[in-house]
Amino acid sequence: GESVGLHLPTLSVQEGDNSIINCAYSNSASDYFIWYKQESGKGPQFIIDIRSNMDKRQGQRVTVLLNKTVKHLSLQIAATQPGDSAVYFCAETGGATNKLIFGTGTLLAVQP
Amino acid sequence: DAMVIQNPRYQVTQFGKPVTLSCSQTLNHNVMYWYQQKSSQAPKLLFHYYDKDFNNEADTPDNFQSRRPNTSFCFLDIRSPGLGDAAMYLCATSRLPGGQETQYFGPGTRLLVL
Repeated sequence: GESVGLHLPTLSVQEGDNSIINCAYSNSASDYFIWYKQESGKGPQFIIDIRSNMDKRQGQRVTVLLNKTVKHLSLQIAATQPGDSAVYFCAETGGATNKLIFGTGTLLAVQP
Repeated sequence: DAMVIQNPRYQVTQFGKPVTLSCSQTLNHNVMYWYQQKSSQAPKLLFHYYDKDFNNEADTPDNFQSRRPNTSFCFLDIRSPGLGDAAMYLCATSRLPGGQETQYFGPGTRLLVL
């Protein structure tokens, strides 16, 4: 069978609260960043992206913040709902390869 | 409105018995990727096709092969599955290679090796 997986960092929030998921990225040359949401048994789903010439981008209920100085990315989810429960991965890419480098993932658990 | 489709969603095979996983896309994207994902881990890139050009990752075992007969379809062949190959296999596409191109993922195929 599968090898034993790692324990994911977990963020537990109450329904209706705001959630902030953080990610430290590794490559200072990365110029494009994506947040993916992965529900149990499903593939990663694109949520929002940001390019390195921006420091903030907003979507519907989600905001991504980029701090290139400290190589930090965050995803803010407003008014968190039970349907937001999932593993969230940040990913970085840059240069010619388009190779996505994923972060370790954070499990968001929304308590009703 | 399915964009990246993977079949089957669940696949059971026996140790050492070849298995093929399928991916198709309706996005007309030039690049198709195969990832392996194990429990509580990030997806790991196995290889990708840019049009007909195959690009293998250095650490992908020879046991894993891929075929892309046309723009829409890409297959992952596991020649002799071992117990350690049990995982979720994800297909993804992007319009072009290179940075700043979003990759869109399919729902994945969960492979169980008995």
